[in-house]
Order: sequence, then structure tokens, then C-alpha cells
Amino acid sequence: GENVEQHPSTLSVQEGDSAVIKCTYSDSASNYFPWYKQELGKRPQLIIDIRSNVGEKKDQRIAVTLNKTAKHFSLHITETQPEDSAVYFCAAMFRGGADGLTFGKGTHLIIQP
Amino acid sequence: NAGVTQTPKFRILKIGQSMTLQCTQDMNHNYMYWYRQDPGMGLKLIYYSVGAGITDKGEVPNGYNVSRSTTEDFPLRLELAAPSQTSVYFCASHVGGENIQYFGAGTRLSVL
Repeated sequence: GENVEQHPSTLSVQEGDSAVIKCTYSDSASNYFPWYKQELGKRPQLIIDIRSNVGEKKDQRIAVTLNKTAKHFSLHITETQPEDSAVYFCAAMFRGGADGLTFGKGTHLIIQP
Repeated sequence: NAGVTQTPKFRILKIGQSMTLQCTQDMNHNYMYWYRQDPGMGLKLIYYSVGAGITDKGEVPNGYNVSRSTTEDFPLRLELAAPSQTSVYFCASHVGGENIQYFGAGTRLSVL
């Protein structure tokens, strides 16, 4: 089955700086890669996603890049704000989504004022 | 349009008790999923269904059962609760041809 590795487990950045979270996946058949933000006690919230036929996608301060050859994708958050503090999860989906998502273990992002 | 609704929100079980976690969606999604999230970890897939009458095991199915008699409902059954099943359970759904999964608010279960 699919395996998703996520790094780092904790990331502390100064407010206004950029944050980068990296994930690798094992199954080359995976074709959909979402990123979720989860606040304490809440459900995962989709913040951005990318499909395997696209190399980069941006939505305001958030961007995701995908390198299919290396089986690697990354989340970039620019101009970080206190409300960006949360746990972020990457995930991968394959076989048309029938088998669900495989999640990384999460990154606790801390924005220092 | 309520989306994905899970009940109950919280539950405490004694070892050996049984219970059913309810999940219903009103978006006419054919794909539905159950995940569990242990403290400090990502979500792991328990069971999934691609339509009414069709279910299959995910990564961590032991100790659980599911059924899918209607498109809307996908209950998760714990027959003999064990402390290892203490977790937060999320139900999710999506429509075929679209990958975006919609999550319920979760059920926090403690087995003591």
C-alpha cells in the first residue's frame, strides 16, 4: 500500500516568515495530493490540493509543489500569521479515490509573535 | 445541506462493550470512509465503501465492522471495545470523479 512520510514534525517560525513542509510518497500510481489544516479538537480542513498532472498550485499565501519523479510534494506558506498555527497533514490518494487517503503524521506549525 | 454528520460527539465505553458510530451524508456521495486518528498522529483508514451494498477493509480494520445499506448512511460498529480503540473517529465522503473529501466533525471515543 501507499506510505506517506512528512517532515518536520514540529516547525517554529517567526510571524511574517515563510514555512515549508515536505512529504514523500511511495506509490507512483498516486495522483491526488491534498493538504489539510487541523486545529485542536476540530476536523481536518482542506486548504489546498494538487493533481499529478500539475507541478505547482497557488492560492494567496499558500502554494503546493509536486515533483512526480522524486515522489515528493511540499506546502509553502508565506507571510505567516498567528492564525496559521495548527497541525498540517499531507495525504495521497490513488486508484481514483476508492481506497481513500493515506496521511502523513502531521507537522505542528508554531508561529512565534 | 448538513454535509457529513456524525453522532455521538463523545462517548466513554467500558472494555468489552459494543457501540455503533453513526455517519450520514446528504450530498448523495457514493464514496464514504471511516478513519481513526490517534493522539499526535495522522488519520488511518479503517473501512471504506464505494456505494450501497459495497464495503472493503482499509489499513486498520481489526475490531470493527461496517455496513452500507443506503447511499446516505455508513455506520461503524465496535463489537468488543478495547483500550486500543480509544481514538477520534472521522467519517468522510466524496462523489465519484471528484477527489475532495468532506469530513464529519468526529467522534471522540474513550475505552476504559
